[in-house]
Amino acid sequence: QVQLKETGPGLVQPTQTLSITCTVSGFSLTSYYMQWVRQTPGKGLEWMGFIRSGGSTEYNSEFKSRLSISRDTSKNQVFLKMNSLKTEDTGVYYCARDWDHFDYWGQGVMVTVSS
Amino acid sequence: EIVLTQSPTTMAASPGEKVTITCRASSSVSYMHWFQQKSGTSPKPWIYDTSKLASGVPDRFSGSGSGTSYSLTISSMEAEDAATYYCLQRSSYPLTFGSGTKLEIK
Repeated sequence: QVQLKETGPGLVQPTQTLSITCTVSGFSLTSYYMQWVRQTPGKGLEWMGFIRSGGSTEYNSEFKSRLSISRDTSKNQVFLKMNSLKTEDTGVYYCARDWDHFDYWGQGVMVTVSS
Repeated sequence: EIVLTQSPTTMAASPGEKVTITCRASSSVSYMHWFQQKSGTSPKPWIYDTSKLASGVPDRFSGSGSGTSYSLTISSMEAEDAATYYCLQRSSYPLTFGSGTKLEIK
């Protein structure tokens, strides 16, 4: 069955870099787009970006050059990295599989940005 | 950026009542997508491509609309439908979500 699970640090200090891994099973990353969405108290649900089945990426310009999405198909993992974290980046980060809609989501990982 | 405005922000409905949630886009979009989220859980796909029900969604739900105005309708409210509903447009970058409609049961 299809499963997605995000893992991450929980607590990150301001100005530091956030790294989250989305580990998937039950499907191939080379057949689906993978999306990243976050949910923050300040802005609600926000689309961050995605990686296509072919490996190219698309980002929300809101995150400018802070954000990077990559993957390791051999490990069935997708990675989100965002630098220069601010307290406003506190929230829950989700990965989601995308075919013609965001049909499966991970449980999300809570990230707190605080010193 | 296309801004999605949902209305109402919050509402309560009695069992059996018809419910309509609206999502208005600041520019025309081709389709609208809807998600249901309950407290402490991930959003669930609910309606996609404006009117297609996601897997497992009861047929008392329906979606409609075009251009800048879309809606999600529940023909007969049930207790399990209490949740927050979000719309999403993916017609142009950046993809954007509405701010949500919290639906409660009376």
